[in-house]
Amino acid sequence: SQQGEEDPQALSIQEGENATMNCSYKTSINNLQWYRQNSGRGLVHLILIRSNEREKHSGRLRVTLDTSKKSSSLLITASRAADTASYFCATVDMDSNYQLIWGAGTKLIIKP
Amino acid sequence: NAGVTQTPKFQVLKTGQSMTLQCAQDMNHEYMSWYRQDPGMGLRLIHYSVGAGITDQGEVPNGYNVSRSTTEDFPLRLLSAAPSQTSVYFCASSAKAEADTQYFGPGTRLTVL
Repeated sequence: SQQGEEDPQALSIQEGENATMNCSYKTSINNLQWYRQNSGRGLVHLILIRSNEREKHSGRLRVTLDTSKKSSSLLITASRAADTASYFCATVDMDSNYQLIWGAGTKLIIKP
Repeated sequence: NAGVTQTPKFQVLKTGQSMTLQCAQDMNHEYMSWYRQDPGMGLRLIHYSVGAGITDQGEVPNGYNVSRSTTEDFPLRLLSAAPSQTSVYFCASSAKAEADTQYFGPGTRLTVL
């Protein structure tokens, strides 16, 4: 069953703008991970945030985690055309033998 | 390092045929897994392995077999292909456990007629 749910399903913005994607989940988690998938390619890990962390940065990426609301957000600042991709969150479900549970993804399009 | 490699990249099968999707990693990772990705859905776990000689079922194991005779290789076998198995298949590995960062192969696009 799907646990992580990304919102929105699709997002189209102008180059240079910021993009925000959200992920909600249902169970207790060990960590939450964000991945990017370019069209026709495998997934690439972006950032991992542990359940005891609230915010993490990596370059133009900022991830927040609110365990009380069971939600996370991924912010991409100063977007570029190369950021066009699908973005997935994956939660490590402590109640399900620590399996990774994936959302359906947010498709991000950056318009030049 | 080549990372995670998968072969073939594309495959067309007829219903009832069997085949093996190959996956190999050169990072000495203990944990390996197979996912399928269907349009509009997240990845679904088929089978996984926590080390050589150990495999277990994921969310959607029916119709698939795996084996892990070495640390490097984790082939996925389709026993009798069905149109419902048309999908993109990804192999992934991580250093120690499923909770770690996953490294993905480029995928195999399978069509079953």
